[in-house]
Amino acid sequence: AQSVTQLDSHVSVSEGTPVLLRCNYSSSYSPSLFWYVQHPNKGLQLLLKYTSAATLVKGINGFEAEFKKSETSFHLTKPSAHMSDAAEYFCVVSDPLKYGNKLVFGAGTILRVKS
Amino acid sequence: EPEVTQTPSHQVTQMGQEVILRCVPISNHLYFYWYRQILGQKVEFLVSFYNNEISEKSEIFDDQFSVERPDGSNFTLKIRSTKLEDSAMYFCASSRDRGLDRGANVLTFGAGSRLTVL
Repeated sequence: AQSVTQLDSHVSVSEGTPVLLRCNYSSSYSPSLFWYVQHPNKGLQLLLKYTSAATLVKGINGFEAEFKKSETSFHLTKPSAHMSDAAEYFCVVSDPLKYGNKLVFGAGTILRVKS
Repeated sequence: EPEVTQTPSHQVTQMGQEVILRCVPISNHLYFYWYRQILGQKVEFLVSFYNNEISEKSEIFDDQFSVERPDGSNFTLKIRSTKLEDSAMYFCASSRDRGLDRGANVLTFGAGSRLTVL
């Protein structure tokens, strides 16, 4: 099984509508999970992280993600998309027991926001 | 907000040439990393570096690759004799803490250096 699976390579939404970017992961007992975003010609920016505290994690720019252990999912959501949200989003897992001291990336989801 | 700075943003080189990609990590960070993304593929780990030595490397990081912290601010990735398949975006990252601590492995990434090997 893939270590991190982002189920959609491209997502297109209209401005003002909800965003859902899906991610499933494979790990040992207690991973850390992250979402990073990359805008064109910019670095990978951390949106939010889950590290075994609250399962609903709030990030920057109105994004949230919920850790669901039973579903091994960490989907990213936002209630209302903005044009500036158009970018590529990466779901990332950190699990030293399984992967050592490195981050394991999903393939990325390109989010397009239509006006 | 502190940034990780990478140069050059884009480099084109001939196969067999040596390439050095440079990075300036965040000043109080102690752990340094290189990742790469071949076009159309996932971002993948290359190497981590701490206390002036490699702490972990992937199977990709063979003898053609080396890393160095030549002074107190720069962190470099050298590819000794480039191959076509080395064409990729190379990301430098740094972190304050060690990845094995719960919740501590938050990396700050640079904008990347795009390497094109002809």
